[in-house]
Amino acid sequence: SQKIEQNSEALNIQEGKTATLTCNYTNYSPAYLQWYRQDPGRGPVFLLLIRENEKEKRKERLKVTFDTTLKQSLFHITASQPADSATYLCALYNFNKFYFGSGTKLNVKP
Amino acid sequence: DADVTQTPRNRITKTGKRIMLECSQTKGHDRMYWYRQDPGLGLRLIYYSFDVKDINKGEISDGYSVSRQAQAKFSLSLESAIPNQTALYFCATSDGDRESAFFGQGTRLTVV
Repeated sequence: SQKIEQNSEALNIQEGKTATLTCNYTNYSPAYLQWYRQDPGRGPVFLLLIRENEKEKRKERLKVTFDTTLKQSLFHITASQPADSATYLCALYNFNKFYFGSGTKLNVKP
Repeated sequence: DADVTQTPRNRITKTGKRIMLECSQTKGHDRMYWYRQDPGLGLRLIYYSFDVKDINKGEISDGYSVSRQAQAKFSLSLESAIPNQTALYFCATSDGDRESAFFGQGTRLTVV
């Protein structure tokens, strides 16, 4: 089955810096990959989607890269703010199902 | 109003009891999913449905059942709750093969 790995350790950075989160997957390469944000006690919220034929996608301060050779996606938040503090989940879509990683918690300190 | 609504938001129940978690959506999506979330394990798929007549097991369906009463409603039942079913449960919807998932606010279930 599809396996997705995200760093389980929290990422602590200073406000204004760029946060970079990693998502690695095994087995089948997905048609596309997504990133979600989850705040404590709330449901995940969709942020960005990148397709297999796209190397990079941007949305405001967010940037996602997708390397199907390495089976890896990187998620960047530039000029990070304390309000960006949350858990970020990586998800793949294969065989009619969404597969989610366990997420990486980001703490942005003022 | 939320696009995907789950009820109840919190529930404490005793071992052996039957419990139903409900999900309704106003997004008009055909596809609906039930996930559970446990610390360190991420979101795991319990059941999913692509339309009213289509029900599919996910990776952890044992001990659960579902009912798709209408396009907008998808309920999850625990026939005889056990403590290791204590978790945060999420309902989600999507529209088509290449769209994102939209989640409800979650139901925190505790089985004592």
